[in-house]
Amino acid sequence: DVVMTQSPLSLPVTLGQPASISCRSSQSLVHSDGNTYLNWFQQRPGQSPRRLIYKVSNRDSGVPDRFSGSGSGTDFTLKISRVEAEDVGVYYCMQGTHWPGTFGPGTKVDIK
Amino acid sequence: QVQLVESGGGVVQPGRSLRLSCAASGFTFSSYGMHWVRQAPGKGLEWVAVISYDGSNKYYADSVKGRFTISRDNSKNTLYLQMNSLRAEDTAVYYCAKVPQIFGVVMSYYYYGMDVWGQGTTVTVSS
Repeated sequence: DVVMTQSPLSLPVTLGQPASISCRSSQSLVHSDGNTYLNWFQQRPGQSPRRLIYKVSNRDSGVPDRFSGSGSGTDFTLKISRVEAEDVGVYYCMQGTHWPGTFGPGTKVDIK
Repeated sequence: QVQLVESGGGVVQPGRSLRLSCAASGFTFSSYGMHWVRQAPGKGLEWVAVISYDGSNKYYADSVKGRFTISRDNSKNTLYLQMNSLRAEDTAVYYCAKVPQIFGVVMSYYYYGMDVWGQGTTVTVSS
């Protein structure tokens, strides 16, 4: 299975400041159809996961535009332009290119 | 609105069985594949099983293969997970989650992740 790694695993941030989470895969996530199936999920404390971004950079409906995804091949990034209190939680990347899909270990974002 | 509601969790002894249910509403259940994903206490997300929209194809994580069975009843808009020979390491919150794209082949079911998740049901395996 494809191994997903994330860094950092813990990210204390200051409200209003930017935050960045790195996600790396053990194999290229470029599918034979030319697409790259890398998704991001947010899990707030005590809540279920919620998809934020799909196919590297496409935001889900209702996701604030302060969230953005980028990357290619094996290296991907989730950025929060200005962290708000409601962004506290754990963020997971997940690859969908190779069977079975696999999640990263998660990055815990909290407020300094 | 689109909603998934899991039930059936509880405390069970090692070696025993449990059946989880996931009631779907707000969308045409029979048109979408479905996943089970679990999360052990304080840990990350682990995919467990997936089933095609019509129930004809099912796949499992190695950790549960031969012990768990995923199924669905499209007439009842309900997804199931039959868990047999439970072990302590199966202790987790179990989520059902919807495949985003309509119909499609099972091999494409991970492409876009999961777009709707239930609230989860807790399974504790302990003597």
